[in-house]
Amino acid sequence: AQKITQTQPGMFVQEKEAVTLDCTYDTSDPSYGLFWYKQPSSGEMIFLIYQGSYDQQNATEGRYSLNFQKARKSANLVISASQLGDSAMYFCAMREGESQAGTALIFGKGTTLSVSS
Amino acid sequence: DVKVTQSSRYLVKRTGEKVFLECVQDMDHENMFWYRQDPGLGLRLIYFSYDVKMKEKGDIPEGYSVSREKKERFSLILESASTNQTSMYLCASSPGQGKAANTGELFFGEGSRLTVL
Repeated sequence: AQKITQTQPGMFVQEKEAVTLDCTYDTSDPSYGLFWYKQPSSGEMIFLIYQGSYDQQNATEGRYSLNFQKARKSANLVISASQLGDSAMYFCAMREGESQAGTALIFGKGTTLSVSS
Repeated sequence: DVKVTQSSRYLVKRTGEKVFLECVQDMDHENMFWYRQDPGLGLRLIYFSYDVKMKEKGDIPEGYSVSREKKERFSLILESASTNQTSMYLCASSPGQGKAANTGELFFGEGSRLTVL
């Protein structure tokens, strides 16, 4: 079974609109972390936002917020007021267990977001 | 500014050639990782290292080896390149201490796009 599922291969949104990118995860570990990364066409992976499993409030970073629904095991990324520069591939990722030496992240397959004017 | 540098952005190699992909980080991070990225498959972990001379297999180590002789450098080696190793290769690092260590955030290089003919 996939640990991270992103069901939307592609999403389209107009400038200034909000968009939600879906992510569900699967783990039996009570301690975990959820990440969103952005990958523009240039290739570098840019960290956007982090949510810990014990965090009571949803994480926010500027125009990015993470809609964390623990019971549903979902961690959707919400981008408010989309901009043309938001066009990129977006990856949801999970750290399973406590962060320790060599802890790797498990990534989803990604969602391509296209923002039009 | 923190940086992970991958030696080659684009490489073209022949089947059977030995290929070295180099990654250097200037952040004094303990942990380093190699992922490959393929369309529709997301990022998959090849190998990681949590200390000098230490290495651990990830999910898809077959056909690859790694070397970490110095803390800042983590090399991925394809002993005999094959066409199914044509891919984007992403190097990442993470610290052993501090806020990013607590979350497990990875810092990525810009990627190396390898084509094996």
